[in-house]
Amino acid sequence: EPEVTQTPSHQVTQMGQEVILRCVPISNHLYFYWYRQILGQKVEFLVSFYNNEISEKSEIFDDQFSVERPDGSNFTLKIRSTKLEDSAMYFCASSANDVLTQYFGPGTRLLVL
Amino acid sequence: KQEVTQIPAALSVPEGENLVLNCSFTDSAIYNLQWFRQDPGKGLTSLLLIQSSQREQTSGRLNASLDKSSGRSTLYIAASQPGDSATYLCAVYGGATNKLIFGTGTLLAVQP
Repeated sequence: EPEVTQTPSHQVTQMGQEVILRCVPISNHLYFYWYRQILGQKVEFLVSFYNNEISEKSEIFDDQFSVERPDGSNFTLKIRSTKLEDSAMYFCASSANDVLTQYFGPGTRLLVL
Repeated sequence: KQEVTQIPAALSVPEGENLVLNCSFTDSAIYNLQWFRQDPGKGLTSLLLIQSSQREQTSGRLNASLDKSSGRSTLYIAASQPGDSATYLCAVYGGATNKLIFGTGTLLAVQP
């Protein structure tokens, strides 16, 4: 069964460093998402992406964040200058269209020291 | 602003018991509602999706119902097993926004 994959599974970085989180969505899906979950808190929406552009972003998704679909298969989230409060589990998701099931990847656990 | 709440926050039941998890949302203008399972430190596994025009969906021992007008959904788990132990999350997808809004989750422990 097709699945969303994410790399790396864990990432430790120093505050102020740039990180890139990678996702490979399900191949025939058109809608892509990033969510995050700070330990012990709710899963929060970050950004949605369709037709090579951001369709919606949350207030968390400030200028330090960017997304890209560089090659038609990968979907990346970049954090330019990480802060301690960026430590969280980051989930990528994809769906065939915007009202169908969103399938989530296993997540990348990011720890900013 | 859409708010999603789940009760109870935690539930412990003996194996074999039937149980109900509850999810409520404040804005009934949703397109769909999705139930997920999350194991500790792991990703989200989609269990069921109910479109706004549907009243319920079934998959194996799971049955999810949706009452849009009252802003409620329930997830019924029949004949619970220890392997069902996990956190169960509901999330709503609203027409005005292109995102899932998650509830706080119910931590389920099924005792052998």
